[in-house]
Amino acid sequence: DAGVIQSPRHEVTEMGQEVTLRCKPISGHNSLFWYRQTMMRGLELLIYFNNNVPIDDSGMPEDRFSAKMPNASFSTLKIQPSEPRDSAVYFCASSIQVGSAEAFFGQGTRLTVV
Amino acid sequence: GIQVEQSPPDLILQEGANSTLRCNFSDSVNNLQWFHQNPWGQLINLFYIPSGTKQNGRLSATTVATERYSLLYISSSQTTDSGVYFCAVEGNNNDMRFGAGTRLTVKP
Repeated sequence: DAGVIQSPRHEVTEMGQEVTLRCKPISGHNSLFWYRQTMMRGLELLIYFNNNVPIDDSGMPEDRFSAKMPNASFSTLKIQPSEPRDSAVYFCASSIQVGSAEAFFGQGTRLTVV
Repeated sequence: GIQVEQSPPDLILQEGANSTLRCNFSDSVNNLQWFHQNPWGQLINLFYIPSGTKQNGRLSATTVATERYSLLYISSSQTTDSGVYFCAVEGNNNDMRFGAGTRLTVKP
């Protein structure tokens, strides 16, 4: 398996634009996590899904952020409108089952909002 | 939510030295993992260790779930061990939370 695949690897956008980050989990994994990493706040859990259903989105910073998982092999994290403070590395991770299995991370998307 | 504390925050070693990194957590956990974030930012799985002891080459880890801590041991450190080591735990809510990490620098 190719592991968790995220795209794009790098994204530079202007303030106010919509940004969509994509994640393909490992085949057969039922749980998917989105994280944001910054120097100030470290690795923050934004949202996680189990069997394509959002379980906890309490980490989503505000209404500008939304995440979907339309099927078992694809998830998106959208920011609309983007702001400079959204600049960070966004990671996606997947595991076979939430709460009882090892999670594996993608290589991340480095987002810069100017 | 569950709190995760890692110590020390920074560690500088001479190549060949041994070290112990600690992870304390505030509540019972279903899952605990150790990761290494390399200089390119990639998060590499080291151990999945909700309890007990595991070893992989020069690295080993022990989790004492009843006392709410885990330890990561690095022996005979190498410059390639440099990076940030994270502990991540899943509590009863099944949300995986990270500590702030230990930044390790191994000097040649």
